[in-house]
Amino acid sequence: AQSVTQLGSHVSVSEGALVLLRCNYSSSVPPYLFWYVQYPNQGLQLLLKYTSAATLVKGINGFEAEFKKSETSFHLTKPSAHMSDAAEYFCAVSDRSSNTGKLIFGQGTTLQVKP
Amino acid sequence: EPEVTQTPSHQVTQMGQEVILRCVPISNHLYFYWYRQILGQKVEFLVSFYNNEISEKSEIFDDQFSVERPDGSNFTLKIRSTKLEDSAMYFCASHRSPTYEQYFGPGTRLTVT
Repeated sequence: AQSVTQLGSHVSVSEGALVLLRCNYSSSVPPYLFWYVQYPNQGLQLLLKYTSAATLVKGINGFEAEFKKSETSFHLTKPSAHMSDAAEYFCAVSDRSSNTGKLIFGQGTTLQVKP
Repeated sequence: EPEVTQTPSHQVTQMGQEVILRCVPISNHLYFYWYRQILGQKVEFLVSFYNNEISEKSEIFDDQFSVERPDGSNFTLKIRSTKLEDSAMYFCASHRSPTYEQYFGPGTRLTVT
C-alpha cells in the first residue's frame, strides 16, 4: 500500500530564508507525486506535480521539488520565503497503475514565516 | 478559469440527521472524488467515481455514505445518519484523467452536534 510521510508537522523560517519541507513516500511502483498548499479556510491548491518527466519540478510561487527515486523522497523547496507562504502544505501520492487516481496525503506541514 | 464549487460552505446538523453535500466539478472532467479532513488531521480519501459508478472507496465510506451524479453537472455526497465523528471538512475534487492533477473545491465544513 502506498503511504506518504512528511517529516516535521511545523516548520518555522525567517522571511527571506530557505524553505525546505520534507516528503518521503512508499510505493511499489514509481508514483505520481504532488504538493498542495492550503491557506486558512480555503481548499487545496496544486503547487506542483511529478508525473515521470524531469525529476526537478518547478511549480507556482517559486516553489520546486526534486524526485529522488533512490531516497523515495520528493522534498519541496523555495530559495526565499515570503510572509505570504505561511500555510499548510501537503504532499500526496497517486498510484500510476491505478485507474482510480485517488490521492494519498501526508499529515501536512504548517509553514510559519517570521518577519 | 474553471473551478470546482461546493455548497454549502458550512452545514450544521444534529446527530442522526441526513445531509447532502453538493459539488459541481469542472465541466470536462470525468473523474470525481470526495475527501475529508478532520480538524487537525490529514486529508483522507473517501470515494472515487467514474463513468457513473464508484471506482474505489475507502474503509471510511461505509453504508451510511453514498454518492450520486444526478445530472450532468452535480456530484453529491450523502450521509444517511450523521455521527459526531463525521464532523470534518469535506472536499470534492475532479480531473480529466489519473495522469492529471486533481482540482479541489473550497470544501464544506460539516458540524454534527
